[in-house]
Amino acid sequence: DAGVIQSPRHEVTEMGQEVTLRCKPISGHDYLFWYRQTMMRGLELLIYFNNNVPIDDSGMPEDRFSAKMPNASFSTLKIQPSEPRDSAVYFCASSPGGRTGELFFGEGSRLTVL
Amino acid sequence: AQKVTQAQTEISVVEKEDVTLDCVYETRDTTYYLFWYKQPPSGELVFLIRRNSFDEQNEISGRYSWNFQKSTSSFNFTITASQVVDSAVYFCAVASGGSYIPTFGRGTSLIVHP
Repeated sequence: DAGVIQSPRHEVTEMGQEVTLRCKPISGHDYLFWYRQTMMRGLELLIYFNNNVPIDDSGMPEDRFSAKMPNASFSTLKIQPSEPRDSAVYFCASSPGGRTGELFFGEGSRLTVL
Repeated sequence: AQKVTQAQTEISVVEKEDVTLDCVYETRDTTYYLFWYKQPPSGELVFLIRRNSFDEQNEISGRYSWNFQKSTSSFNFTITASQVVDSAVYFCAVASGGSYIPTFGRGTSLIVHP
């Protein structure tokens, strides 16, 4: 089976531009997570969904960040407008749910905002 | 609240040495799960192991072993006879609080020299 698929793998953009990161979770997984990884802050949970419904978005840094999950096989994380401090690797992960907590991660999207 | 401390930022060893990665966790809950993930240079995080709070048995998988001690809130990871391919960042995580969403430590970068 295919794993979690993220796109783009790399994105370089200029400050002020809109950035959209995409994620396709593993089929049948009920939970989807967006994490951000930086040297300064490590791995931070931004938001997670259960059955396409956002459950906890307290980790989303600002109103510039938004995430959607229109169906079970697709999610987006959007940053508008982007700023240099948003430069990071953004990971999407999915989980089969229950009380396992085991996450299956994508390869990440490396974002650089100039 | 839950938290993981990985005090070792970077460890450098020579191939065939044994190495232990430390993990100290905090949670108020009596039911929780502990994890280790590996992040190789390719970037994606790979699940290694999960333990629940009621199972303090140590586990061995090939060259990998894990020592779970509730008395010291530690879940340490030992690699025996390290190999260059073990070079990666290793993350410890704890999941508790009903939702069981993992919180990750800052990671320990392991460099194994030939």
